[in-house]
Amino acid sequence: GAGVSQTPSNKVTEKGKYVELRCDPISGHTALYWYRQSLGQGPEFLIYFQGTGAADDSGLPNDRFFAVRPEGSVSTLKIQRTERGDSAVYLCASSPLYAPYNEQFFGPGTRLTVL
Amino acid sequence: AQTVTQSQPEMSVQEAETVTLSCTYDTSESDYYLFWYKQPPSRQMILVIRQEAYKQQNATENRFSVNFQKAAKSFSLKISDSQLGDAAMYFCAYIGGSNYKLTFGKGTLLTVNP
Repeated sequence: GAGVSQTPSNKVTEKGKYVELRCDPISGHTALYWYRQSLGQGPEFLIYFQGTGAADDSGLPNDRFFAVRPEGSVSTLKIQRTERGDSAVYLCASSPLYAPYNEQFFGPGTRLTVL
Repeated sequence: AQTVTQSQPEMSVQEAETVTLSCTYDTSESDYYLFWYKQPPSRQMILVIRQEAYKQQNATENRFSVNFQKAAKSFSLKISDSQLGDAAMYFCAYIGGSNYKLTFGKGTLLTVNP
């Protein structure tokens, strides 16, 4: 079956611009996660959705970052007034239920470059 | 706060040989889960193996096995009969009991030499 997909694969933008990154989870997965992976680092948690609601957004670095999941499926990560430090790979993952031992299935990520 | 440490930025192994990747973690939780993920150049993280902390038996998945030392907070990955397709970044990751967010180490880049 189809895995987690993310669009675009790569995004280049200029400092100060607004960007949206999209995640399509595996059909039927209720839990959705966003992580950010900076160069040479492991992924770091940003936000977690259970259904439509953000259950934990404690990893969002500041109020320029926002994410939505209005229908409990597709999610969009929105970044306002982008800064060069926002450059990273943004990974999305989904799992069938909230349960710590459940495998999180990852998408291929969106590489964001802020010039 | 939970931390995961991978002390080997890079490792290399000859094809068909065995290699062990190290991982240590710090936690005050009694119930938690540990994972090894593989990230090839395609960027897609793939689960290799998982271990529940309450299980004493080490997890095994085909050529991949772990050495879980709970008291030492150590969780190493052994890859037997290494194949060229095993070349990738390997990340050790942790989830604490009632949590759901993965905490990752910095990764180990594994090279497999033919």
